[in-house]
Amino acid sequence: AQSVTQPDIHITVSEGASLELRCNYSYGATPYLFWYVQSPGQGLQLLLKYFSGDTLVQGIKGFEAEFKRSQSSFNLRKPSVHWSDAAEYFCAVGAENFGNEKLTFGTGTRLTIIP
Amino acid sequence: DTGVSQDPRHKITKRGQNVTFRCDPISEHNRLYWYRQTLGQGPEFLTYFQNEAQLEKSRLLSDRFSAERPKGSFSTLEIQRTEQGDSAMYLCASSSSVRISYEQYFGPGTRLTVT
Repeated sequence: AQSVTQPDIHITVSEGASLELRCNYSYGATPYLFWYVQSPGQGLQLLLKYFSGDTLVQGIKGFEAEFKRSQSSFNLRKPSVHWSDAAEYFCAVGAENFGNEKLTFGTGTRLTIIP
Repeated sequence: DTGVSQDPRHKITKRGQNVTFRCDPISEHNRLYWYRQTLGQGPEFLTYFQNEAQLEKSRLLSDRFSAERPKGSFSTLEIQRTEQGDSAMYLCASSSSVRISYEQYFGPGTRLTVT
């Protein structure tokens, strides 16, 4: 069964600083990987996804992520964070299963931005 | 696209009562998913529909839970005899099997509080 580990429960970053959120997955084949962002009391918004091809993927809001098969990782990065980036970030892995691409999520990383 | 909508956004109920939530997916999406998210956790898969057929149910979905998608459009999730442990955010997501991008679009969720 697939699983996702987000080792950092909470990260605090200064506005304008760079950001990296870690994600490790477990899956037997090539996974489909996603990063979602959730603002308080809201649903999830897709930031970016990886299916195949180029291992560095670009997403919305200036985010990018790199798939590293050897490390089973899909870390999210942003060169310069903005106060509006404060939110909860979830990494998820999906797998083709007779057409059911159900997602398995990590426990999330809460991002706090300080001035 | 008007996005995925869910109703109600908040529901407070007493233990033992029945509740029903509604999800309206993006109109051209034939796949619909229900997830449950408890405090401090990532969403967990509950069940999945392709058109009107319910194709998979998680072990998390006890006999008190039932979901329907009668015409392959909107879906309802009913919880009978609610328990305090049912308090959570219930998220609905939809995707398209035609556009093989595996992207799931989430609604804002229904927050259930059982007192």
